Amino acid sequence: GENVEQHPSTLSVQEGDSAVIKCTYSDSASNYFPWYKQELGKRPQLIIDIRSNVGEKKDQRIAVTLNKTAKHFSLHITETQPEDSAVYFCAAHHYTSYGKLTFGQGTILTVHP
Amino acid sequence: DTEVTQTPKHLVMGMTNKKSLKCEQHMGHRAMYWYKQKAKKPPELMFVYSYEKLSINESVPSRFSPECPNSSLLNLHLHALQPEDSALYLCASSQDFNEQYFGPGTRLTVT
Repeated sequence: GENVEQHPSTLSVQEGDSAVIKCTYSDSASNYFPWYKQELGKRPQLIIDIRSNVGEKKDQRIAVTLNKTAKHFSLHITETQPEDSAVYFCAAHHYTSYGKLTFGQGTILTVHP
Repeated sequence: DTEVTQTPKHLVMGMTNKKSLKCEQHMGHRAMYWYKQKAKKPPELMFVYSYEKLSINESVPSRFSPECPNSSLLNLHLHALQPEDSALYLCASSQDFNEQYFGPGTRLTVT
């Protein structure tokens, strides 16, 4: 089955810096890669996603890149703000998995004012 | 509107109780999910319903019983739970198995 590794497990940055979280996946047939942000006590929130036919996607201060050959994808947050502090989960999905997302173990991002 | 609602927000139950968790979505999504989440861990898939039919059961113990009365509603019936079942139970929905939107969850404590 699919396996997703996520690094780092914790990330601490100063406000205004950039943050990068990386994930690798094992199943080359996976074709959908979402990122979720979960603030303390809140629901996981889908913040950005990318499909395997695209190499990069941006939405304001966040971007995701996908390298299918190397089987890794990354979340980039620029100009970080304290409200970006949360746990971030990456995930991978294969179209035959019928909705079963394989999640990474999460990254605790702390943005210091 | 990417809104999935869940009730109750919090639930405390004894090991002999029977209770139900409820989830509702009005986005016309065809798939609905139950996840279990422990603190500081990713969500763990329990069940997937597609077009109101159970399509995935991740070997969940029978003390958890899902039900999908219609395309907008999803229930999780709980019976004879164990303290280790205490967790955040999340419902999610999606149109095409990809973009899954989560509800706020039910914080369950089993005493």
